[in-house]
Amino acid sequence: QVQLVQSGAEVKKPGASVKVSCKASGYIFTNYYMHWVRQAPGQGLEWMGIINPNGGITTYPQKFQGRVTLTKDTSTNTVYMELSSLRSEDTAMYYCARGGASHCLNWGQGTLVTVSS
Amino acid sequence: SSELTQDPAVSVALGQTVRITCQGDSLRNSYANWYQQKPGQAPLLVIYFKNNRPSGIPDRFSGSSSGNTASLTITGAQAEDEADYYCNSRDSSDNHLFGGGTKLTVL
Repeated sequence: QVQLVQSGAEVKKPGASVKVSCKASGYIFTNYYMHWVRQAPGQGLEWMGIINPNGGITTYPQKFQGRVTLTKDTSTNTVYMELSSLRSEDTAMYYCARGGASHCLNWGQGTLVTVSS
Repeated sequence: SSELTQDPAVSVALGQTVRITCQGDSLRNSYANWYQQKPGQAPLLVIYFKNNRPSGIPDRFSGSSSGNTASLTITGAQAEDEADYYCNSRDSSDNHLFGGGTKLTVL
């Protein structure tokens, strides 16, 4: 069955960077896009970008351009999300999600990133 | 504007039908997806491309759209349907938008 297993919780100081991993299994890794979505405590969902593991092409919303980087490692079926210049407002649960270009079919369990001095 | 608007909260009596709506300009040109999220869990796709259900999603969930409004209908709501529901679509710049979410209470 499809599984997306994310790395563990992180605590970071303002200004630092965080890199979250998402290891996929149970399907052909390069056949599906991977989205990243975050959710601040008690808030709604926010899309952070998408990567096509077949070639590595990425798309980011303007809000995150220059601060988020999605990469992939096809040898380990893993996608990474790196967010730089962290601030307190980046405290959130971060999810990877497999899907098509327009929808998220399966979601990881989430990774809590806490930004605190 | 590049926003999707949802009612913050909706309630439905057990076994009755409820419609959750989502409004936004992007819906005129892009299909809506709907996600269910229960407390402490990751979201779950329940409807995609306007009215397609992933495997395992009960057929009491359906989607529709007209103009700038998309709707998720639950016909015969069950207690386990109590959750937050988020609509989602793409805008003209290929950004993915999420609505603010609707908290569904099953009475």
